[in-house]
Amino acid sequence: DQQVKQNSPSLSVQEGRISILNCDYTNSMFDYFLWYKKYPAEGPTFLISISSIKDKNEDGRFTVFLNKSAKHLSLHIVPSQPGDSAVYFCAASARNKLVFGAGTILRVKS
Amino acid sequence: DTAVSQTPKYLVTQMGNDKSIKCEQNLGHDTMYWYKQDSKKFLKIMFSYNNKELIINETVPNRFSPKSPDKAHLNLHINSLELGDSAVYFCASSQYNGGLNQPQHFGDGTRLSIL
Repeated sequence: DQQVKQNSPSLSVQEGRISILNCDYTNSMFDYFLWYKKYPAEGPTFLISISSIKDKNEDGRFTVFLNKSAKHLSLHIVPSQPGDSAVYFCAASARNKLVFGAGTILRVKS
Repeated sequence: DTAVSQTPKYLVTQMGNDKSIKCEQNLGHDTMYWYKQDSKKFLKIMFSYNNKELIINETVPNRFSPKSPDKAHLNLHINSLELGDSAVYFCASSQYNGGLNQPQHFGDGTRLSIL
């Protein structure tokens, strides 16, 4: 039972353009959402998060949007840079429960 | 300065053996975690300790036993290793505020291969 789904296994974007990574969840109890970035042979690194009381959070080139009614969130990276090429994991939290998606591989072409 | 370090990085062993993975964090966090990343790349939380007290214990075979000697260390001992235990195991740490919404800092993983 996948409670957090990242339906696009991979995404390829040209340098300078916008990257949009999507995440859907099924459990309406989730009240906090986090994005992590992972390079090969390294552990995930925290990127940005959003509480369910907000619909947008921005940090530099990274913006996360939350649509609670649709149980959908997205991570926007603009402009995309080659160093952004990595696996991006979406995670959803509710109290002492934390569920990760399977990740989306982002490739930014120069 | 490595924030969360886990050893060994690679572990290759025979089925039926017992092995341990060690984890240490120097971030002053009060909570540590163990995750398993399986072949489908899902990261699944296994255990969490807050100030040496077990707070999360997901459905994990009791062959897996975490041990936290102090809040900076969380080790994972696995008895009678099975083929299905092959995975990458990640240790992580964070501050705890009553939930799991604090950003976690991860180690670089231990790749366990069972022959």
